[in-house]
Amino acid sequence: ETGVTQSPTHLIKTRGQQVTLRCSSQSGHNTVSWYQQALGQGPQFIFQYYREEENGRGNFPPRFSGLQFPNYSSELNVNALELDDSALYLCASSPLGRTEAFFGQGTRLTVV
Amino acid sequence: AQSVTQPDIHITVSEGASLELRCNYSYGATPYLFWYVQSPGQGLQLLLKYFSGDTLVQGIKGFEAEFKRSQSSFNLRKPSVHWSDAAEYFCAARREYGNKLVFGAGTILRVKS
Repeated sequence: ETGVTQSPTHLIKTRGQQVTLRCSSQSGHNTVSWYQQALGQGPQFIFQYYREEENGRGNFPPRFSGLQFPNYSSELNVNALELDDSALYLCASSPLGRTEAFFGQGTRLTVV
Repeated sequence: AQSVTQPDIHITVSEGASLELRCNYSYGATPYLFWYVQSPGQGLQLLLKYFSGDTLVQGIKGFEAEFKRSQSSFNLRKPSVHWSDAAEYFCAARREYGNKLVFGAGTILRVKS
């Protein structure tokens, strides 16, 4: 049990649509990161939020955006979905003063 | 560029045999190092981490890993594998003040009875 919960667990969307994925962390987890894991690959860093501000971004286009809320929840939004966006999306949070990241179970997004 | 390499895509071991999964990193300075395990369709569970100090670190589920600076390696080991250890294992690294984990491509472990 990592204390990080993601919803939904599975999602199917059509190319061109928009999607919002959600993550809920434990109290005190003030840093949240999102990763994309394509089939057969390791997770790739999308971006990180710290105290509700973006704190670094990986090599992903602007149609990937996020929000972090004061209640330790966060969202990943993806606009204009493409087939290649099909992947497992992982949320990871870190408690204050801790260096390791704790992952949720992921949201499996399928774009058709 | 920062990178993590896991040379073995698949490894098959017999139940009760020992296990070693390889991980090499390429960073300007020694990064923080982690091993995660992922069961099919699931998230990542942290097995162990290395920041500094003792180069042999103990983790959960009987796993350990050894940091070797001279070889830029952080190999994961287990003396006796159980069937429930079958999963995919990821090595990851992060700069000391960095904000992202860089993952290897993963090693799929199969356990045969």
